[in-house]
Amino acid sequence: EPEVTQTPSHQVTQMGQEVILRCVPISNHLYFYWYRQILGQKVEFLVSFYNNEISEKSEIFDDQFSVERPDGSNFTLKIRSTKLEDSAMYFCASRGQLNEKLFFGSGTQLSVL
Amino acid sequence: RKEVEQDPGPFNVPEGATVAFNCTYSNSASQSFFWYRQDCRKEPKLLMSVYSSGNEDGRFTAQLNRASQYISLLIRDSKLSDSATYLCVVNKGTNAGKSTFGDGTTLTVKP
Repeated sequence: EPEVTQTPSHQVTQMGQEVILRCVPISNHLYFYWYRQILGQKVEFLVSFYNNEISEKSEIFDDQFSVERPDGSNFTLKIRSTKLEDSAMYFCASRGQLNEKLFFGSGTQLSVL
Repeated sequence: RKEVEQDPGPFNVPEGATVAFNCTYSNSASQSFFWYRQDCRKEPKLLMSVYSSGNEDGRFTAQLNRASQYISLLIRDSKLSDSATYLCVVNKGTNAGKSTFGDGTTLTVKP
């Protein structure tokens, strides 16, 4: 089965540093997403991306966050100045059609010290 | 009110038991519905889609009641390997199809 690939699997950073989380969605998919999950809590929506622009974002996705699809394959999440509370597992997901299932990557565990 | 609300759990059942999870959603315009399974510190994985007519996949049965905005998952003959967190997921079908997750219900199947 095709896979969504995320790198790195773990990222440790100092508070205030910038991080970029990388994702390669499934090649013929059109809709891309970032979710996060703080340890012990629910999976939370951050942002959806379609047709080279953000289509929806949550209140978590403030000015410190940005997404890019710089080429035909990568989809990145940047956090400009990390805070302790950004520590979480970040999942990238993609889907081919609007009401199809989401395919998730295996996640990047971000630890902000 | 939460967009997607699930039984709080946890559920602790013996092997072979039948267990049912319930989920309600608040947005009547929701288009599609899924049950995902999440193992500890792993990504969510699709268990099954939920159709209006109800659907079954082996030991798993999913039901949808659009009028009541209610989704259920029934697991028959529980196995130890069914131990996981079960996530109810609802798609808006608009705005690039944002999927909203319930908090999840944790199931532990014991020998």
